[in-house]
Amino acid sequence: NAGVMQNPRHLVRRRGQEARLRCSPMKGHSHVYWYRQLPEEGLKFMVYLQKENIIDESGMPKERFSAEFPKEGPSILRIQQVVRGDSAAYFCASSPVPTSGVDTQYFGPGTRLTVL
Amino acid sequence: QKEVEQDPGPLSVPEGAIVSLNCTYSNSAFQYFMWYRQYSRKGPELLMYTYSSGNKEDGRFTAQVDKSSKYISLFIRDSQPSDSATYLCAMTKNSGYALNFGKGTSLLVTP
Repeated sequence: NAGVMQNPRHLVRRRGQEARLRCSPMKGHSHVYWYRQLPEEGLKFMVYLQKENIIDESGMPKERFSAEFPKEGPSILRIQQVVRGDSAAYFCASSPVPTSGVDTQYFGPGTRLTVL
Repeated sequence: QKEVEQDPGPLSVPEGAIVSLNCTYSNSAFQYFMWYRQYSRKGPELLMYTYSSGNKEDGRFTAQVDKSSKYISLFIRDSQPSDSATYLCAMTKNSGYALNFGKGTSLLVTP
């Protein structure tokens, strides 16, 4: 069974460019979460999506960041006009429909974004 | 005050030692507690999760939750060099989905 897949694994962008990060959840999982790990910081929740729906984007910066999880294809985290402070590791996690009180989240390998 | 506090280490132990990793938290609404292991340049891997207070054992790993003290622990028995990694605690509320992570403790098990 393939785990959560993310690509690209490494992404280099210049200031002002756009970054697109892709996440394919585990087979059978319909919930996707994005987290950001800044240097020397813990993972921070950004957004929770189900197919075609954004459930909670309270952790997303108000500007330049957007996320989607279309009916077909991977989830996309999009960062417009990147700045150096966006340099971080971005992790995607997926979970099945929860059968108990919490979603057990399985993480992908991450995309390491470097902004020059 | 951060919601989840975790000593970043590094923690260095000899092979075969018992390792104790800990986190404290401030939000009494947290009900689910997880431990993830993260190898360098990889994604976090779920080790264990527990609900509310109590102990849970899985092989060489034991997770403990003390809600009265807002303190959780992960014990690793008979530690191996392959256990060398960063260990992340995470927690969330009942029916929650946004995991709140500690910064992680870096563990090195030396042969």
